[in-house]
Amino acid sequence: DSGVTQTPKHLITATGQRVTLRCSPRSGDLSVYWYQQSLDQGLQFLIQYYNGEERAKGNILERFSAQQFPDLHSELNLSSLELGDSALYFCASSLNYRGNSPLHFGNGTRLTVT
Amino acid sequence: GIQVEQSPPDLILQEGANSTLRCNFSDSVNNLQWFHQNPWGQLINLFYIPSGTKQNGRLSATTVATERYSLLYISSSQTTDSGVYFCAVGPRLDQGGSEKLVFGKGTKLTVNP
Repeated sequence: DSGVTQTPKHLITATGQRVTLRCSPRSGDLSVYWYQQSLDQGLQFLIQYYNGEERAKGNILERFSAQQFPDLHSELNLSSLELGDSALYFCASSLNYRGNSPLHFGNGTRLTVT
Repeated sequence: GIQVEQSPPDLILQEGANSTLRCNFSDSVNNLQWFHQNPWGQLINLFYIPSGTKQNGRLSATTVATERYSLLYISSSQTTDSGVYFCAVGPRLDQGGSEKLVFGKGTKLTVNP
């Protein structure tokens, strides 16, 4: 068990809808990352938060947004969903943002857009 | 951006065999990690190894940062080792630390009984 908790495990929704994915980092970790894994794109970095502030942005679509709350949990909001958004979405956490500590992943949320 | 190449893309072994997985990267890094994604999709951190050598049971890893590669060794493989092994690197920042991790495409390992 990595200590990173993601909910829900599975999500099935229709095109055009909006969903929220939730993540609780490992105890003591201040940095949260979101990754998308699809068959054709591999593991793609979306966004990183550190202690409530956005730290780095990757290939995140404008239809997607995220935030980290004061209790350090994070939410990823996906709106106007398209079929191509179907993927496994991972949250990960690390001690800090400086890249000198291990990254630990949650079990992911499998999103299916129909 | 930094390029990460993993080889081989696919590897099939008999239980008990040894294997070496390779990760090449195109720029200086301050962060390198190896992950195992099991058949259920879970991503497990195996090593945080920006340089040097580490061992954990039947697994060991070596990173030669100056030559821009890392190796993951699996000895006496077991069926539970099956899955995809990812190398991820964090490019060095001028002010210290590293940027976000960039993942390779992975090596898919199948260990047959």
